[in-house]
Amino acid sequence: QKEVEQNSGPLSVPEGAIASLNCTYSDRGSQSFFWYRQYSGKSPELIMFIYSNGDKEDGRFTAQLNKASQYVSLLIRDSQPSDSATYLCAVGPGGGNKLTFGTGTQLKVEL
Amino acid sequence: DTAVSQTPKYLVTQMGNDKSIKCEQNLGHDTMYWYKQDSKKFLKIMFSYNNKELIINETVPNRFSPKSPDKAHLNLHINSLELGDSAVYFCASSRDTTGHYGYTFGSGTRLTVV
Repeated sequence: QKEVEQNSGPLSVPEGAIASLNCTYSDRGSQSFFWYRQYSGKSPELIMFIYSNGDKEDGRFTAQLNKASQYVSLLIRDSQPSDSATYLCAVGPGGGNKLTFGTGTQLKVEL
Repeated sequence: DTAVSQTPKYLVTQMGNDKSIKCEQNLGHDTMYWYKQDSKKFLKIMFSYNNKELIINETVPNRFSPKSPDKAHLNLHINSLELGDSAVYFCASSRDTTGHYGYTFGSGTRLTVV
């Protein structure tokens, strides 16, 4: 079993729709959860982090965490073509000291 | 002013050669990392240094040797390059060893071994 799993996609959504990206993780002791966006040929860029169960909103982005189900999601409202990228989920262990990344979900926002 | 800078951005070299990649961060972070991203976009940690001390050394061939002269710099030297070493290598930094606030990544070095 992979430590952090994501559907590779591509996930295609029309412009203006809500994109929903999901991630599951295997380490129950994980304490910190991150979403990175990576455009083709560029480096990963941190867009959201969440530590507690529930929702965390930042602009058009909402991160959702359910530690009991070992599940993290990212919702992107009013999706724009500029949101087209690969979204990487990363999980930090309870004791530190490294992030484990999923293989990413490719999102395509179509006009 | 770039927060985490890596050089070179592209590296094309022949099998058997030795090459180095340099990384510098101006964020005042204590911890730096080397990650390898393969063709399937999987980011895998290789090494981590905290204030010049090696704290993570994953299962990496000993042809790869990191060096941290100070907490703002982390270099990666690769001996006897092989075709399978072709990948994008990312340097990253974080405030501390917990990574609790996430990492800041450099722009990456695309290594192609021919």
